[in-house]
Order: sequence, then structure tokens, then C-alpha cells
Amino acid sequence: GDSVTQTEGQVALSEEDFLTIHCNYSASGYPTLFWYVQYPGEGPQLLFRASRDKEKGSSRGFEATYDKGTTSFHLRKASVQESDSAVYYCALSGTGANTGKLTFGHGTILRVHP
Amino acid sequence: GPKVLQIPSHQIIDMGQMVTLNCDPVSNHLYFYWYKQILGQQMEFLVNFYNGKVMEKSKLFKDQFSVERPDGSYFTLKIQPTALEDSAVYFCASSLAGPQDTQYFGPGTRLLVL
Repeated sequence: GDSVTQTEGQVALSEEDFLTIHCNYSASGYPTLFWYVQYPGEGPQLLFRASRDKEKGSSRGFEATYDKGTTSFHLRKASVQESDSAVYYCALSGTGANTGKLTFGHGTILRVHP
Repeated sequence: GPKVLQIPSHQIIDMGQMVTLNCDPVSNHLYFYWYKQILGQQMEFLVNFYNGKVMEKSKLFKDQFSVERPDGSYFTLKIQPTALEDSAVYFCASSLAGPQDTQYFGPGTRLLVL
């Protein structure tokens, strides 16, 4: 079945540091890939999505590029802020049954210190 | 952005009792979803629902689970009877235009079965 792997369970950075969270997926065809962010006490909210190879998604300074060759969708931000502290989830929606089932990674806790 | 509400935010219940989790989806959305997240684990798809019917369910959606959305009311997840392993956070989501559309998540209901 489909799966998503996030390498980092927790990331601790200082403000203005560069962020990378690695996401690799396993799915047939061309799944749609997502990054969601979750703040304490809230549900996940969409950062951005991408549906085609080499497509770049971006929002609020975060970006990721769909790479079919390496089956990756790594999240990057050039300069993080304390307000970026949250849990980040990589997810995919497969092309099979097309019922909207999202498959999530385990999530990465990002802590940014002032 | 669009808001999904979930009621209650927390529920403590004795094993074997029935529980109903309520979701107030975005008003014009047509597709509805439930996900389950056990503490420390990834969020997992349970079921999705469209036009009064379950479209897809996972192996986590046991026979004791049921969903419905009577006209104009909440989208509900009922568990009867509950078991200890049902303790988790349950997230509701909704989307407008179909399975590949963005899913908007509620803040979750934290269910503890004793």
C-alpha cells in the first residue's frame, strides 16, 4: 500500500536558520503530495500541494518540489521564525481508488528558539 | 480559512459504552472524512462519506464503528461498544469538490476509553 516516510521526528533550530524536513513516499503512478502544518490544539491545515513531477509548491516561505525520480517532496524554508514552531506532516493522496484517502507521515516536530 | 468544528473536544468513557463524535463540516462541502491518531503515532484514515454513503473504509474501521450525516446536521462517528484500543484523537475533515480537493480538518476529539 501507499506510505510516507519523514526522516526527522524532531528538529530544533534558531531563528533565521535554514530548515529541511525530508519526505519520501511510496505509491504507484503520480500521487498528489501535500504538506500540512498543525499548531497546538488545532487540526492539520494545508500548507501547499503538488500533483506533477517537478511541480513546486510553496506558501509562507516554505517550499517543496515533487521529484518522481527520487520519490521525494522535501520541505525547505530559508529562514525560520519562532512562529513556525509546529508539527509538519507530509501526506499523499493516491491515484487508485480516488476516494480522497490521505496517507500521512509520522510528523516532524519543529521547535524554533529565539 | 474554512472551519471544521468538532464536539466534544474531549470525552472520557468506560469501555463497552457507546460514544458519538460530532463534526460540523464546512457548510458547502460534500465529502467527509474521519482519521484516527493514537498518541505518538501517525494519523490514519478511517472512512470517507459522500452522498449518504461510505465510499471507502480502512481496516481500522471496525464493525463497531458507524458514520452518518442526517440532512443538515452533524457528520457523526459512532463507536458501539467502545474498546480500550479506541483511545485516540479523532479528526474530522471535509472537502468541497471531490476526493482530490483540499481537505479541511477540525481540531480533533480526544477520546479516552477506561
